[in-house]
Amino acid sequence: DAKTTQPPSMDCAEGRAANLPCNHSTISGNEYVYWYRQIHSQGPQYIIHGLKNNETNEMASLIITEDRKSSTLILPHATLRDTAVYYCIVRVASRDDKIIFGKGTRLHILP
Amino acid sequence: EAQVTQNPRYLITVTGKKLTVTCSQNMNHEYMSWYRQDPGLGLRQIYYSMNVEVTDKGDVPEGYKVSRKEKRNFPLILESPSPNQTSLYFCASSPTRDYETQYFGPGTRLLVL
Repeated sequence: DAKTTQPPSMDCAEGRAANLPCNHSTISGNEYVYWYRQIHSQGPQYIIHGLKNNETNEMASLIITEDRKSSTLILPHATLRDTAVYYCIVRVASRDDKIIFGKGTRLHILP
Repeated sequence: EAQVTQNPRYLITVTGKKLTVTCSQNMNHEYMSWYRQDPGLGLRQIYYSMNVEVTDKGDVPEGYKVSRKEKRNFPLILESPSPNQTSLYFCASSPTRDYETQYFGPGTRLLVL
């Protein structure tokens, strides 16, 4: 079973910030939070990951709560091309282990 | 160009007829894996391989086999396909055990009649 819980779908207006939540209440101290997205039957694409500090890159920002039991992926200025399924995954980085994706959140960007 | 390739991209077959889906990467990655994707279930890992001759079961390995005789290739074998293996399959690779740079192939859509 996936270790994360995400809403099945969300809408966001084009040009606005998209905030995608993820609950991971059983996360262990050495587990990272990873985000991937999948655009219409293409292979998933890595977005960002973090341990406990907030992270930002050219694609998105990741906000992790202080207790690390939840996080939010922020797409600062959503475009129509950001319409995709977004997956939140928790796992130990650099560990030989299977990866478990949940069902993700289907994000619809509205024009 | 760095890429993961899969063949075939589309396949229709019948129950019980053995098939192989090939996966190849040109990035000298150690880690490779196979996923299947089904509506409402998201991505589920079938098998993964940490290096040549090292493979292990993922979340849903039943009915599948894999081999890793060379670093670049990681074929997925269905010895006796069944209709419940109708799915969209993705191969992926990453350079180390760190998954942030996992590259996914374009997908293989399989229909088993």
